Formats: sequence, C-alpha cells, structure tokens
Amino acid sequence: QVQLQESGPGLVKPSETLTLICSVSGDSIMGYYWSWIRQPAGKGLEWIGRIYVSGTTTYKPSLRSRVTMSEDTSKNQLSLSLTSMTAADTGVYYCAREPVQMWSFEYWGPGALITVSS
Amino acid sequence: QSVLAQPPSVSAAPGQTVTISCSGKFSNIGTSFVSWYQHVPGAAPKLIIYENSKRPSGISDRFSGSTSGTSSTLVISGLQTGDEADYYCVAWDNSLIAVFGGGTKLTVL
Repeated sequence: QVQLQESGPGLVKPSETLTLICSVSGDSIMGYYWSWIRQPAGKGLEWIGRIYVSGTTTYKPSLRSRVTMSEDTSKNQLSLSLTSMTAADTGVYYCAREPVQMWSFEYWGPGALITVSS
Repeated sequence: QSVLAQPPSVSAAPGQTVTISCSGKFSNIGTSFVSWYQHVPGAAPKLIIYENSKRPSGISDRFSGSTSGTSSTLVISGLQTGDEADYYCVAWDNSLIAVFGGGTKLTVL
C-alpha cells in the first residue's frame, strides 16, 4: 500500500521560505510524477507543480519564480520550497503521485497545514 | 477565478442522481484527459474518475464520468449521505500545467 506523508513547520513568518517534505512508503519514488497541490484557506484546490523522478520539473506559471521542487531518492522523499511567503499562502499542502501517462493523481497524502503569520 | 468552471453547489435527496459539470476550453479539456476527485474536508482528496471515464479499483460504479468537447460531467447515482463532499475536476493545458475546477459542494438532503 503506497502511503504519502507531508511534513513541515506548521507556522511560517511572512517573507520567509517554506520547506515541505513528502515521505513515501510502499513503493519507490522513481519513475513517477509527484505533484504538490494546495488548498488556500477558504478556497479550492490549486496545483503548484510537479517533478518527475528523476528528471524534469513543471511549475504553475504564477508561482514559478518562487517554487523549487526536488527529490531525495536515498530517503524516498520529495521536497517543496516556496519563497517569500505571505498570508495568501496559508492553507493545506498536499503531495500526490501521478503515474506516467495516467494524467491524474492516484495517491495523496493527508496534507500539511501551513499558516503564515508573524 | 478557476480555469475550469464548476457549479459551486448541488444537492439532491438520498437515492437520487446528481450531475456535476466542468467546463473548460479546447486548450485544456479539449486536448487532455479529465479526472475527478472527491474531497471530504480534513481528509485527503480521493481519485474517483480518471481518463474521462475510468474508475480506479474500489470506486463504486455509482460514479461515472464523461467528456465531450470542452466539457466534462460527473454523475453520481443512488446518492448516499456518505457522498457529501467537495468534488473537483482536473484537466491539463497545452503546457502540461494541471488546471483545477473551483469545486462543487455536494449536499445530500
């Protein structure tokens, strides 16, 4: 059974950088796309971007200047870095697995709540 | 404002059938597969339809999807109280960017 678990600081100060980890168990992260998706407070789901392990990244254009996604195959983990955090970035952040050519998110983590506040 | 348009809410009584629409453009729905997700607040979203109309293993056949042109539709038949959730459609644009609908809140009366 594939399981994903997001972990992060919970609270981030404005202008700081958020770093989130997605730990995957039950399968290797190799050969899949891994997306980060968030739900801003009071809003719907929003795709942030994805990384193919090992290979390319694709980011949502409006967030591209602030986002970096990376992989650690030795730990079977993905990471998301989002710079210059503001209150608008407050919400729940999910990681999700997308098999190649499936064009959908088959497994999701439970999400990590991130609050931006001083 | 979301790239894909969904009705904010729908409602129906137990046992009835409800339809949720998802409208986009040729550059997204018209040229990619659509998937649908059930999201109960506080839980992880769940994939219920992929490649327009396929159901993952374990998803009830009460859920069905279809796509025509630039619109997609999710149909839930035999409504149950456990179906209450937010439902999202997702497609991909020409730059391989995933675009979400704004979500539809389903209330089972």
